[in-house]
Amino acid sequence: GAGVSQSPSNKVTEKGKDVELRCDPISGHTALYWYRQSLGQGLEFLIYFQGNSAPDKSGLPSDRFSAERTGGSVSTLTIQRTQQEDSAVYLCASSLEGRGPMNTEAFFGQGTRLTVV
Amino acid sequence: KNQVEQSPQSLIILEGKNCTLQCNYTVSPFSNLRWYKQDTGRGPVSLTIMTFSENTKSNGRYTATLDADTKQSSLHITASQLSDSASYICVVSPYSSASKIIFGSGTRLSIRP
Repeated sequence: GAGVSQSPSNKVTEKGKDVELRCDPISGHTALYWYRQSLGQGLEFLIYFQGNSAPDKSGLPSDRFSAERTGGSVSTLTIQRTQQEDSAVYLCASSLEGRGPMNTEAFFGQGTRLTVV
Repeated sequence: KNQVEQSPQSLIILEGKNCTLQCNYTVSPFSNLRWYKQDTGRGPVSLTIMTFSENTKSNGRYTATLDADTKQSSLHITASQLSDSASYICVVSPYSSASKIIFGSGTRLSIRP
């Protein structure tokens, strides 16, 4: 597709269950970001992948959160034993790696709205 | 530490009025600075981009300015419309392909009729 695709668009889960959120970045984009946005709040950085480098996991709020990126393309964010405070919109973005002023625009998906009940 | 801070956190203005949103950053050296607009329920979309050598960039009623010496940027919205109600996010890209883009937490703008 032409843009960043996230699935599912909405997810309602029971407290304690595990969930997987998927992100398909723009083809050829080597940088991929996961952000969390709680209701009425700004973006909260979670994790950053770039090429074959080790991911920057410094934003993951707890060890219940993990993410992987297979083959340098699709990424999955997994939340184990979900809690009500995990309810938020999870946004994925990708960008084209490389120096230069026109190469680093981040393109966002529409997000996955996660509701933990 | 690379940081991007925005102010105010939220702002309410009447339709037709002007407003200015602020962004201060510590990213250095940096490649470019972008302002994104995020409508409710949607992903952010880029409004403007400026490199370190540019001082101002316009996109319709949106005008962004950049002072690379003081590491400050502003987004000015002229003759606001109801459709301008959104979050505005300042994003700074370091001049290194090994460093991640830094996002501000955004300013939530509400336009009242």
